[in-house]
Parts: sequence; structure tokens; C-alpha cells
Amino acid sequence: GNSVTQMEGPVTLSEEAFLTINCTYTATGYPSLFWYVQYPGEGLQLLLKATKADDKGSNKGFEATYRKETTSFHLEKGSVQVSDSAVYFCALSDIQGAQKLVFGQGTRLTINP
Amino acid sequence: NAGVTQTPKFQVLKTGQSMTLQCAQDMNHNSMYWYRQDPGMGLRLIYYSASEGTTDKGEVPNGYNVSRLNKREFSLRLESAAPSQTSVYFCASSPFKSGTEAFFGQGTRLTVV
Repeated sequence: GNSVTQMEGPVTLSEEAFLTINCTYTATGYPSLFWYVQYPGEGLQLLLKATKADDKGSNKGFEATYRKETTSFHLEKGSVQVSDSAVYFCALSDIQGAQKLVFGQGTRLTINP
Repeated sequence: NAGVTQTPKFQVLKTGQSMTLQCAQDMNHNSMYWYRQDPGMGLRLIYYSASEGTTDKGEVPNGYNVSRLNKREFSLRLESAAPSQTSVYFCASSPFKSGTEAFFGQGTRLTVV
């Protein structure tokens, strides 16, 4: 079945550091790929998405490129801020039926000033 | 600007008690979902409803029942709560179109003692 594997956390960085959170997936066909972010005490919010191979999703300085050849969707940001501290989830959507999301285990990111 | 609304936000139950978690969305979405979030395990799908009048099991349905009351509302019932059901529960909705994201509620933190 479909699955998502994320880089294990927690990850701690200093402000202005470069961020990469790795995400790889297993799926039949061509799913859509998503990064969600969860700030403390809140629900999940969509950060960015990509719906086909070689698409790049971007938002708030974060980017991720849908790489079919490596089945990856790594999240990157060039210069992180304290306000980026959160839990990040990679997910894919079932391409048939009810568009169910399959999530990775989440990566907790802490940015120190 | 409500989006997906869940009630209650917090609940403590004794083992064997029952309760219903309520979820409503005002975005006219066809599909609705219930997930549970446990540390280190990401979000796992409990039940989903692809459209009004239909419900299907997800990855971890045991111990739960659901009702899609109408297009707006999708409730999750625990008939006899167990400590293993201590978790954070999220309701989500989506338009049931390929490539579209799901929108999440704020979550219900449930503790079973």
C-alpha cells in the first residue's frame, strides 16, 4: 500500500540556518504530495503541495520538488526563523476514491535564536 | 471563516464510558475524515466519508463508529472507551477532487483513564 517515510526528528537549528527535511514515498500511480505544518496547540495547515512530477511547491520561503525518479519530496528553506518552529508532516493523497491522505510520522523542528 | 469546527477541544473519560466527537464544515466539501495523532506515528485514518450517505473504514477503525449526518457534519463515536484510545483526534474535509488538499479542525485531545 501507499506509505510515506520522513526524516526522523527532532531537528534543532539556529536562526538563519538552511533546512532540509527528507521525505520519500511509496505509491502506485502518481499521487499528489503535500507538506503540512502544525504549530503548537493547533491543527494542521497546508504548507505547500505538488500534483505532478517535477512540480515545485512553494510557500513562506519553503520549497519542495516532486521527484518521481527518486520518489522524494524533500522540504527546504534557505534561512529559517524562530517562528518556523513546528511539526512538519509529509503526506500523499490516494489517487482514487476519497483522496485519503497518508502521512509520514512528522518531524519536530526547533529554531533557536 | 470557520472552516472545520470540532467539539469538544478537551475531554477526559473513564474506561468504559462512551462519547461522541462532533465535526462540522462550512466549505461544502464532499469528503470528510477522522484521524488520530499519536506521538511518533503521524496521523492515522480512522474512518472517512467520500460523500454524504457513505462511510468507510480507514487504517485503525476498531473501537470507533461514525455517522455522516448530512453534508456538513461527520461524528465519531467511542462506544466503550479504552486507555489505548487516548490521543488527539482531528477531523478534516476536502472537495473530493484529485490534487486538492484537506482542511483540518483544531483537534480534540482525549484522555481515557
